[in-house]
Amino acid sequence: GAVVSQHPSWVICKSGTSVKIECRSLDFQATTMFWYRQFPKQSLMLMATSNEGSKATYEQGVEKDKFLINHASLTLSTLTVTSAHPEDSSFYICSAREPKLRGGPTYNEQFFGPGTRLTVL
Amino acid sequence: GNSVTQMEGPVTLSEEAFLTINCTYTATGYPSLFWYVQYPGEGLQLLLKATKADDKGSNKGFEATYRKETTSFHLEKGSVQVSDSAVYFCALSAGFQKLVFGTGTRLLVSP
Repeated sequence: GAVVSQHPSWVICKSGTSVKIECRSLDFQATTMFWYRQFPKQSLMLMATSNEGSKATYEQGVEKDKFLINHASLTLSTLTVTSAHPEDSSFYICSAREPKLRGGPTYNEQFFGPGTRLTVL
Repeated sequence: GNSVTQMEGPVTLSEEAFLTINCTYTATGYPSLFWYVQYPGEGLQLLLKATKADDKGSNKGFEATYRKETTSFHLEKGSVQVSDSAVYFCALSAGFQKLVFGTGTRLLVSP
């Protein structure tokens, strides 16, 4: 199946610093990538949808200036947590989706990365 | 809007017991339905899917049938193993839209 990687797998940083998380689709081109946040023992919360070559679409309540998303190529999207604070500590998961092909399936299968655990001290 | 409701956990079973995790959904149109599994410290893995009514998704001994009349997609396994301990998420996607997840159900299987 399609493989999505994330880097780093975990990161610890000081309050006030910025952290960048990379999401890569390794064996397919992803026109759309998604960024999720997961709190302990809770479901995934979609933060934003990232389309290659255009601005990300953020979900309601997610600060776009706080969580900067860049999707500069068909295989790479980055999430930068700016001026991180302890409340930003969480498990961040990305997913990637192949482009919809004419005559192809209509369902939306996303392939998920292994996640990045961010701890802000 | 679209939503997914899962039974609350944790579900605690002994090895070789029968598993059912309930999932119901609300959606406009004809969504695709998914079960994802998350092992400790890892991201989500697609376990199985069904794209239309009466479809049965199956993988690794797990099954779920897309029931349009009851808007359900219950996950079942005849005999669970300790290695099945994980969090299971039911999800839907309407058209080519974003996934909507349930809150997840933690499964704990003891030897």
